[in-house]
Amino acid sequence: GAVVSQHPSRVICKSGTSVKIECRSLDFQATTMFWYRQFPKQSLMLMATSNEGSKATYEQGVEKDKFLINHASLTLSTLTVTSAHPEDSSFYICSASPTGPGELFFGEGSRLTVL
Amino acid sequence: QKEVEQDPGPLSVPEGAIVSLNCTYSNSAFQYFMWYRQYSRKGPELLMYTYSSGNKEDGRFTAQVDKSSKYISLFIRDSQPSDSATYLCAMRDILKAAGNKLTFGGGTRVLVKP
Repeated sequence: GAVVSQHPSRVICKSGTSVKIECRSLDFQATTMFWYRQFPKQSLMLMATSNEGSKATYEQGVEKDKFLINHASLTLSTLTVTSAHPEDSSFYICSASPTGPGELFFGEGSRLTVL
Repeated sequence: QKEVEQDPGPLSVPEGAIVSLNCTYSNSAFQYFMWYRQYSRKGPELLMYTYSSGNKEDGRFTAQVDKSSKYISLFIRDSQPSDSATYLCAMRDILKAAGNKLTFGGGTRVLVKP
């Protein structure tokens, strides 16, 4: 299957700082990428749809000024958690598809811990 | 009521047994169906992807879709301890503008005991 890579896999930061997570499609181009958040023992919650060359589309209840998304190229999307607080601690996962309607591949996830 | 319902488990089976997982859904616009396997602290891994009603087989995995009943299943034959993970069903609404936006079930935790 297609490969989606995330970096870093784990990050610990102090409250009030900003953290950037990268998502790369390694062997295909992706005009659209998706960012999910997952709490322990819960399913994935879609946060936003990242669109190459245009603004991201955020799901209801997700603060766009808090979670900045940039999709600068066809292989890279970044999620920046600004002014992070302990409640932002979570597992963040990105996904992308090399084809139109179907298969969606996920990155390895990034675990954020805010102290 | 959630759009996609999935029993959280845990489902515990002995090694070699068949694992049977299922999801029900309420949105008749769901047309694409996927099963993902997720190990602890890892991203989901795509196992099966189906579009039409019926069966699809890939190695030890068989996916079934019954659109008339709004019910999908995943069977794992000859289960191994390495199959112990959380299994997530996911579906895509073909009518929605955001092409690959998925709706996930809550996941079923599976434990295969040696």
